[in-house]
Amino acid sequence: DAGVIQSPRHEVTEMGQEVTLRCKPISGHNSLFWYRQTMMRGLELLIYFNNNVPIDDSGMPEDRFSAKMPNASFSTLKIQPSEPRDSAVYFCASPPAGTSGIFEQFFGPGTRLTVL
Amino acid sequence: GDSVTQMEGPVTLSEEAFLTINCTYTATGYPSLFWYVQYPGEGLQLLLKATKADDKGSNKGFEATYRKETTSFHLEKGSVQVSDSAVYFCALSDNSGNTPLVFGKGTRLSVIA
Repeated sequence: DAGVIQSPRHEVTEMGQEVTLRCKPISGHNSLFWYRQTMMRGLELLIYFNNNVPIDDSGMPEDRFSAKMPNASFSTLKIQPSEPRDSAVYFCASPPAGTSGIFEQFFGPGTRLTVL
Repeated sequence: GDSVTQMEGPVTLSEEAFLTINCTYTATGYPSLFWYVQYPGEGLQLLLKATKADDKGSNKGFEATYRKETTSFHLEKGSVQVSDSAVYFCALSDNSGNTPLVFGKGTRLSVIA
């Protein structure tokens, strides 16, 4: 199992541009979590999905942020338009394969986003 | 709601020193408890876990014991190495199977030679 896969690993963009971050969770589990990590605010849960359905998006900072999980093997987090304060590392996480429910999470390597 | 409180860092130790990072939790039920480690430039990795009272999780020389009476899950290591420099996160799961883990704010550890 390749674990949680995120792309791109690094993204540098200019303010106002659209940014799309991608995640492939561990196969065999259909829960997925998006986090954001910054020095100031630490690790924040943005949104999570169960069975491809968004369950709690209260952590999404603004309407500029949106997330989708069209199937069990893929999710996107989109920022449109991006702003410098969105600069952060964005992590995707999913429970391990072969488990039911959410009892622990495996994290992807993260996407480091820099908005100039 | 459930919450996790861990000691604020940064913590700086010399190589071979003893490490303790305190973690306490508040939960309405009987949670599972975790320690995650984040090395520079990487994602969080599960370090160890315990699922019931008095369980001891251990990995890579690190240990933590689930203490229900003190609602604690302190991380310890007898002799730290420079390679242990990282950020450590305490977390809990309510075991409902449907809700995310609750994470502490993280403690940065720096080990100097």
